[in-house]
Amino acid sequence: DGGITQSPKYLFRKEGQNVTLSCEQNLNHDAMYWYRQDPGQGLRLIYYSQIVNDFQKGDIAEGYSVSREKKESFPLTVTSAQKNPTAFYLCATQETSDQPQHFGDGTRLSIL
Amino acid sequence: QQQVKQSPQSLIVQKGGISIINCAYENTAFDYFPWYQQFPGKGPALLIAIRPDVSEKKEGRFTISFNKSAKQFSLHIMDSQPGDSATYFCAARSGGYQKVTFGTGTKLQVIP
Repeated sequence: DGGITQSPKYLFRKEGQNVTLSCEQNLNHDAMYWYRQDPGQGLRLIYYSQIVNDFQKGDIAEGYSVSREKKESFPLTVTSAQKNPTAFYLCATQETSDQPQHFGDGTRLSIL
Repeated sequence: QQQVKQSPQSLIVQKGGISIINCAYENTAFDYFPWYQQFPGKGPALLIAIRPDVSEKKEGRFTISFNKSAKQFSLHIMDSQPGDSATYFCAARSGGYQKVTFGTGTKLQVIP
């Protein structure tokens, strides 16, 4: 089954804890993105990566980190420095520079 | 200048009616304008997209109208159905592997 797989669907974080959200794709798309969605604010870009071993900060990168060791995988770590991590996190991929972005089904992160 | 302004915030339409959602942008470097449909608990799904060299694009019941001089574009949903009830996001991108700037979303409810 092809597509973008985000896991887990729900995640809970304790104070002072780092958590990692998974995003895997088998579409062979070059670029991958992480967005954060909050009610009434649309989607905001956290990080993106055009190729393996390279990534750029988006508009709200503080308190987050990423890696891109494989083309298929782009995990996002929400660190304890992110003081307001409760949100719906969406991963997207893009096949080539003139194609649209396609989204996974998201991970909802909450604070315990 | 990077914003995309979307209205209305919510919309209730009778089954069979026309749903209209409007967006405006300021950045003239934007050259790709997708619309996404999102159901609760799911990621946004690409609905239809347009480039500024075209004034209108139609796919089934969905039509994008684009006014380059006014820097406005809109989504029309003809013969609206209860299954169309979702949140719709307009978006804009300025070429290549760039972030997509999203509007704040319109929650559409189609009532029988």
